[in-house]
Amino acid sequence: AQSVTQLGSHVSVSEGALVLLRCNYSSSVPPYLFWYVQYPNQGLQLLLKYTTGATLVKGINGFEAEFKKSETSFHLTKPSAHMSDAAEYFCAVSGITGGGNKLTFGTGTQLKVEL
Amino acid sequence: EAQVTQNPRYLITVTGKKLTVTCSQNMNHEYMSWYRQDPGLGLRQIYYSMNVEVTDKGDVPEGYKVSRKEKRNFPLILESPSPNQTSLYFCASSVDLGGAYEQYFGPGTRLTVT
Repeated sequence: AQSVTQLGSHVSVSEGALVLLRCNYSSSVPPYLFWYVQYPNQGLQLLLKYTTGATLVKGINGFEAEFKKSETSFHLTKPSAHMSDAAEYFCAVSGITGGGNKLTFGTGTQLKVEL
Repeated sequence: EAQVTQNPRYLITVTGKKLTVTCSQNMNHEYMSWYRQDPGLGLRQIYYSMNVEVTDKGDVPEGYKVSRKEKRNFPLILESPSPNQTSLYFCASSVDLGGAYEQYFGPGTRLTVT
């Protein structure tokens, strides 16, 4: 079974400050990990993904995430927040299971960026 | 342009009136899924399809039906909608990354059942 925990349903940062959104996962198989972003009244857009290889993954809009197997974490970071980063962010995990194309999502973190 | 389309985008209906939400993808993906999004619960999978005529239940299938007669289409059917099915619905299609599946999402359908 797979599960994802996102710590903090709401995170607020100042423009220009570091963004850190936390994600911890559990998986009985090697995990594949994803971060999606959802802007108001829009669908989900893939920010970045970890499948195999390098554990530091770079995505769009200056975001990156590091897969840490020992900590079962996949935290999302951005060095300097911009007003346009305000959105809801979802961490998700998938693996080689019977429902192969299933993504298990966290409950989401709403990011607010203040001036 | 590669995309997943859903129709309608917004729907208000009454309890018990059958409805269908259509989903279509133009990427020739084998895998398609339906999710519902509810505040505080994230997205939960309703049904998925591995290929034409192959479908299976996700985590919250009760009250829903699907069909996959063509590769590009994966409609979601609510035969007798109830207020607890008021939600935001997303269709997704997936490409195999060698064990992982990167999913492409449609724009969503906001359903209200009164």
